[in-house]
Amino acid sequence: QKEVEQNSGPLSVPEGAIASLNCTYSDRGSQSFFWYRQYSGKSPELIMSIYSNGDKEDGRFTAQLNKASQYVSLLIRDSQPSDSATYLCAVNGRSGGSNYKLTFGKGTLLTVNP
Amino acid sequence: ETGVTQTPRHLVMGMTNKKSLKCEQHLGHNAMYWYKQSAKKPLELMFVYNFKEQTENNSVPSRFSPECPNSSHLFLHLHTLQPEDSALYLCASSHLPGGSSTDTQYFGPGTRLTVL
Repeated sequence: QKEVEQNSGPLSVPEGAIASLNCTYSDRGSQSFFWYRQYSGKSPELIMSIYSNGDKEDGRFTAQLNKASQYVSLLIRDSQPSDSATYLCAVNGRSGGSNYKLTFGKGTLLTVNP
Repeated sequence: ETGVTQTPRHLVMGMTNKKSLKCEQHLGHNAMYWYKQSAKKPLELMFVYNFKEQTENNSVPSRFSPECPNSSHLFLHLHTLQPEDSALYLCASSHLPGGSSTDTQYFGPGTRLTVL
């Protein structure tokens, strides 16, 4: 059973701080990694994808990947109250044969306090 | 319409009812997915369709019956559901059938289903 683990939180940070969200995965063959943001009552929205070891930056968001440690993280700089949401980590790996399948973590609830 | 749309957005049904959920993608994608999201649980993949052919059924009970008439439309037919089936049902689409190591899934707004 392929698993993706996240701290469920809630993670509470003050406005302007850096929020750090972590995710570990069990399938060493996983090849791509995604962070989705989900506001309460809404659907998941893709915010970052990362495929290679190291850092990938996009605006206030930085994704970090370490395949040797099977660890992926998301940093949010200058956190804003509008960043308050549940962040889902998703890992793409083979589901059998030639097809791929996304496995999601339970998500981390982030609250940014004004 | 843009992106992935789903109707209805909310649905309340009794255990003896039959209803259908509809999903349409306007992205030119070739793969479509049904997911179930229950409280405190990760998103659960239910079905995958590639070029309108079902390629994955993740041990879903037969009271859920998918239909994919073409690459842009996906339905989930519901009958004799149980209260524990109450959840948010999400449709997603992606470009590549069978996916790839970098294929990205885009989600619709979901249908909030309540089974009484």
